[in-house]
Amino acid sequence: DAKTTQPPSMDCAEGRAANLPCNHSTISGNEYVYWYRQIHSQGPQYIIHGLKNNETNEMASLIITEDRKSSTLILPHATLRDTAVYYCIVRVGSNAGNMLTFGGGTRLMVKP
Amino acid sequence: GAVVSQHPSRVICKSGTSVKIECRSLDFQATTMFWYRQFPKKSLMLMATSNEGSKATYEQGVEKDKFLINHASLTLSTLTVTSAHPEDSSFYICSGRDAYEQYFGPGTRLTVT
Repeated sequence: DAKTTQPPSMDCAEGRAANLPCNHSTISGNEYVYWYRQIHSQGPQYIIHGLKNNETNEMASLIITEDRKSSTLILPHATLRDTAVYYCIVRVGSNAGNMLTFGGGTRLMVKP
Repeated sequence: GAVVSQHPSRVICKSGTSVKIECRSLDFQATTMFWYRQFPKKSLMLMATSNEGSKATYEQGVEKDKFLINHASLTLSTLTVTSAHPEDSSFYICSGRDAYEQYFGPGTRLTVT
């Protein structure tokens, strides 16, 4: 059963912010939201994760709604190299207690 | 982040032959390793989970006698595709897990002719 729902594809203009939504309406209190991305023909790359507070790192920001039923990954200034499939995953715990299960993801195309 | 390597990155083999793919954790000890398979334009599908020194646990629908997994040390796991057929052509990705996180390798593209 899919635990997250993401749009299958999105476009973004180079230099603009890319906002990728994710619905996880059945998330449990002990489940974290993780974001990974996969550039064509490469392995998945970790981006960011959070529980309920918004998070920011050098790659992106993660905004989680107060009810935790949805989140948005923000790439503040998208570049052509950000073209990839972005996966939103919910997982119990912030450590590696449970494996990552991938859904369909969002194929982000950054255009010049 | 921690680094996971895979070898080879690409391999082409003839139908009926066996192919071995190596997965190494370069700077951490992977107590658990995962093997995923990804068909074109599809998401990653977990094939099996292996703990060092133990037999692998396979997901439903994955033949354990066809996809042999060995996890002999905390830094090395191998996946052997036995008697490969064209339908086994896929992108195989391994992932190592330490106490904190799960890290992914760059993948191996297998083409069976």
